[in-house]
Amino acid sequence: AQSVTQLGSHVSVSEGALVLLRCNYSSSVPPYLFWYVQYPNQGLQLLLKYTTGATLVKGINGFEAEFKKSETSFHLTKPSAHMSDAAEYFCAVIYTGGFKTIFGAGTRLFVKA
Amino acid sequence: NAGVTQTPKFQVLKTGQSMTLQCAQDMNHNSMYWYRQDPGMGLRLIYYSASEGTTDKGEVPNGYNVSRLNKREFSLRLESAAPSQTSVYFCASRPRDYANTGELFFGEGSRLTVL
Repeated sequence: AQSVTQLGSHVSVSEGALVLLRCNYSSSVPPYLFWYVQYPNQGLQLLLKYTTGATLVKGINGFEAEFKKSETSFHLTKPSAHMSDAAEYFCAVIYTGGFKTIFGAGTRLFVKA
Repeated sequence: NAGVTQTPKFQVLKTGQSMTLQCAQDMNHNSMYWYRQDPGMGLRLIYYSASEGTTDKGEVPNGYNVSRLNKREFSLRLESAAPSQTSVYFCASRPRDYANTGELFFGEGSRLTVL
């Protein structure tokens, strides 16, 4: 079955440290790729997306992600974590020809002062 | 802009009761979706409506029914609630685009507890 895997249900970093959240998809045909963020008691909102073109995608709040076809990955990074980045992050995919967005299990990011 | 509006935000039901979650979007989007969110499982698609007049099952449709009332509204009905349906439910919409590459726009969620 087509799926998306996020490695690590919880990630903890210190304020100012690098944030790295991992995402891998399961298809030989690259899907469309998304990262969403969910703050407590809110719905999800889009951070960034990759459809075609440049493989390094920049999003809101200083986040970026790189599509690597050879590794079937779309990892999310931010050079310097801020306390306000504490949230749950979801990687999601739309496989070619599909109407459905498939979500990973999510990674909760904790930022320590 | 209101975006995607869900009602109610909170609901407690007893096993066997029925209820309908309402969702409306004011962005003229074609596609609408219902997801449930459970800890450690991400969001799982219950039903979706690619366009007005059509509905399709998602990953976990058992125990649910939907109605796409018009372009704006997409409701989710639990006919006989079970404790396994305790969850947070999210409605989302997406604009029409040829390649279906668009982002989803989410409501704030409806937290349902079934006792």
